[in-house]
Amino acid sequence: EDQVTQSPEALRLQEGESSSLNCSYTVSGLRGLFWYRQDPGKGPEFLFTLYSAGEEKEKERLKATLTKKESFLHITAPKPEDSATYLCAVQSPGGGSYIPTFGRGTSLIVHP
Amino acid sequence: NAGVTQTPKFHILKIGQSMTLQCTQDMNHNYMYWYRQDPGMGLKLIYYSVGAGITDKGEVPNGYNVSRSTTEDFPLRLELAAPSQTSVYFCASSYGGASTDTQYFGPGTRLTVL
Repeated sequence: EDQVTQSPEALRLQEGESSSLNCSYTVSGLRGLFWYRQDPGKGPEFLFTLYSAGEEKEKERLKATLTKKESFLHITAPKPEDSATYLCAVQSPGGGSYIPTFGRGTSLIVHP
Repeated sequence: NAGVTQTPKFHILKIGQSMTLQCTQDMNHNYMYWYRQDPGMGLKLIYYSVGAGITDKGEVPNGYNVSRSTTEDFPLRLELAAPSQTSVYFCASSYGGASTDTQYFGPGTRLTVL
């Protein structure tokens, strides 16, 4: 059974204070690891897909990296508008259905 | 494209009543999903469908039913509502299958059972 653990559960940063969110996973044959952003009262919105260890992707102040056991979402010089919950999910062939498994998320608050 | 739409946005249900949450996607996706999200608990999969006429249980299916008669629609039925079903419900869709699969989510339905 695929397992995804995200840490920390909550993170408070000052504007401009860089940090990282962690997503640890256990899967049998990783097909893809996804990062989503969820604003309060809205559905999750896709950010990145990572496919293999060593891969990195960037978007504005966010950079996602992947190893064989975990992924990091690095936030550089965050702004208050980066405040959201960040969700990690993994996809594997488990059961033949390729249904993604989600972590519980990290709630990020960036203070001005 | 409207993407994934859900109705209603909010609803209050009395214990023992039934209702249907509607979900429609216009991206011609094969896979559709229903999740519930409780505070601090992430997304829990209720049911999913890999195509019209095919549905399967997720992690927390008890108290819910689904049907998939068309590619576009995937309604979620709550029978004999209980307070434990108070939650935010998200519908999602994706192309599905063995290819790496981005999910597109609807805006959610906030349901309260009193």
